[in-house]
Amino acid sequence: ETGVTQTPRHLVMGMTNKKSLKCEQHLGHNAMYWYKQSAKKPLELMFVYNFKEQTENNSVPSRFSPECPNSSHLFLHLHTLQPEDSALYLCASSQGSGQGRNSNQPQHFGDGTRLSIL
Amino acid sequence: QKEVEQNSGPLSVPEGAIASLNCTYSDRVSQSFFWYRQYSGKSPELIMSIYSNGDKEDGRFTAQLNKASQYVSLLIRDSQPSDSATYLCAVNLGNYGGSQGNLIFGKGTKLSVKP
Repeated sequence: ETGVTQTPRHLVMGMTNKKSLKCEQHLGHNAMYWYKQSAKKPLELMFVYNFKEQTENNSVPSRFSPECPNSSHLFLHLHTLQPEDSALYLCASSQGSGQGRNSNQPQHFGDGTRLSIL
Repeated sequence: QKEVEQNSGPLSVPEGAIASLNCTYSDRVSQSFFWYRQYSGKSPELIMSIYSNGDKEDGRFTAQLNKASQYVSLLIRDSQPSDSATYLCAVNLGNYGGSQGNLIFGKGTKLSVKP
């Protein structure tokens, strides 16, 4: 079973729809991340959770709402999105949130959800 | 503004040649450095990590780090068509400079290995 699993792989939605992206990690990690990847731009960090607690919200609009019920699961709830939100949304996990002695811990990515907003 | 810079490419090399990918970063307190490979339509895959100045070799891959010059590179020996992908450089500041220990990514360099 792959380490980090994301569903769905593809999602097309209208601007008024509500949908959720799901991420599950089977690596025993305690930190999870949401990234946005748009064409010709670097990976943009959106949210960080460490031991289920949100430790970073990188000025993300409120139409994106994360949820982390436990260290293995992460959701991204979507509501009233804009066309510019069309992108690849990647989930990642790591052992520790990258601070201090965990700074050498790499992040492992899921295959992403390709989101298209009509 | 903490930045990681990479030449976007495409970098084209013939099969069997050495591919050299470069990355510079702006923050001197950066602690850890990672190279990810991303095939088109796929997720980033970790291929190398390096933390100390010098070279680190793993199979056909060699990562080189020079903290004084704020420069990290990835060499791919005996390049194969299957190495054609976008290579992302990522830098972790650890817990210095107010950083939360997050990774900062470059835009990536697209590598094309011609048969």
